[in-house]
Amino acid sequence: DADVTQTPRNRITKTGKRIMLECSQTKGHDRMYWYRQDPGLGLRLIYYSFDVKDINKGEISDGYSVSRQAQAKFSLSLESAIPNQTALYFCATSDWAGSSADTQYFGPGTRLTVL
Amino acid sequence: GESVGLHLPTLSVQEGDNSIINCAYSNSASDYFIWYKQESGKGPQFIIDIRSNMDKRQGQRVTVLLNKTVKHLSLQIAATQPGDSAVYFCAEKPGGYQKVTFGTGTKLQVIP
Repeated sequence: DADVTQTPRNRITKTGKRIMLECSQTKGHDRMYWYRQDPGLGLRLIYYSFDVKDINKGEISDGYSVSRQAQAKFSLSLESAIPNQTALYFCATSDWAGSSADTQYFGPGTRLTVL
Repeated sequence: GESVGLHLPTLSVQEGDNSIINCAYSNSASDYFIWYKQESGKGPQFIIDIRSNMDKRQGQRVTVLLNKTVKHLSLQIAATQPGDSAVYFCAEKPGGYQKVTFGTGTKLQVIP
């Protein structure tokens, strides 16, 4: 979805490096998420944010940190990258309005390789 | 249920046949159930949702069935086409402020 952009789209880095993945959205949504997907596997939630002042850990937050700089921006950092963090990373947004399915809109993904 | 590090089950279907993708959910208090489609190399996209007070909802070539008695959700795709080849995720939304939880996913392969 072009309304949710991720940069970079591909990144190769070395073990021990600190890297940042960025996500921007023009949908005006309050909720933003970071997921990790390994080949042939499902989605695993890393962190999520329901508004600018709200940050929550997901199921696999160890080794990651996030920053919600504005409603439109949610960044994911790997403090010291390790090879098993090689994966496809997705950002998503949603706009829960009381009673709704809280539909998530995903970015195109960032393919990260840690050597 | 929770998405865990399990390999995706695969469903192979002949082109033109109907596909049925199943999902067991965990939270009997969930308010909405949603299906997403993830094509290769792309992020998941919303297909259809169903509220917990319904047992069936139809879209274009897709039907979602909800059986709350056994906590089971299914996605039926009529006349499956090659473009339907993708990974399909079910998700559940508890009532109130809580977030959506994604299921493990099923890979659908359409055989020409």
